[in-house]
Amino acid sequence: EAQVTQNPRYLITVTGKKLTVTCSQNMNHEYMSWYRQDPGLGLRQIYYSMNVEVTDKGDVPEGYKVSRKEKRNFPLILESPSPNQTSLYFCASSGSTSGDYNEQFFGPGTRLTVL
Amino acid sequence: QQQVKQSPQSLIVQKGGISIINCAYENTAFDYFPWYQQFPGKGPALLIAIRPDVSEKKEGRFTISFNKSAKQFSLHIMDSQPGDSATYFCAASIGPSGTYKYIFGTGTRLKVLA
Repeated sequence: EAQVTQNPRYLITVTGKKLTVTCSQNMNHEYMSWYRQDPGLGLRQIYYSMNVEVTDKGDVPEGYKVSRKEKRNFPLILESPSPNQTSLYFCASSGSTSGDYNEQFFGPGTRLTVL
Repeated sequence: QQQVKQSPQSLIVQKGGISIINCAYENTAFDYFPWYQQFPGKGPALLIAIRPDVSEKKEGRFTISFNKSAKQFSLHIMDSQPGDSATYFCAASIGPSGTYKYIFGTGTRLKVLA
């Protein structure tokens, strides 16, 4: 089954304790992206990657790091989490454009709480 | 200039009615405009999308209307059904082939009454 998986799905942590949220896709997609979703703010792009070893900042990159060493994986790293990073996080992937659509496939989300 | 403004924030429609959600953007470099549908507890899923060289795109009960000069686009859901109750996000994208950097609207929570 074609899918984007994220782990963990739920995480409660404390301020300053480094954490990694993993994202993996099995569709051989070049493009992957991380978003955070907050009430009233919609989805905001954190980082995106157009291919292995190619990453770029989205709208809200502060406090986050990413790496793309393999095509299928795109982990999100919070080196020193703070309470304002409490949010619902989504990973997404998409393949090459064709026709009208470049469909992003979203993972199930990771709910992060930073105390 | 990077914002995409979406309205209304919430919408209640009777079954069989028309749901209309509007979005406006500023940056003329945007060249791909998708709409995503999100059900509670799920990730967003692509519903329909349009490129700026087209003024309208229809897929089943869903239509995007695009006004390039006004920098506005809207989603129309005809014959709205209770199963359409979800949160809808418009988005705009920049980059090669109109992808990669995405700006999303703040979302519209649609409730269709049976």
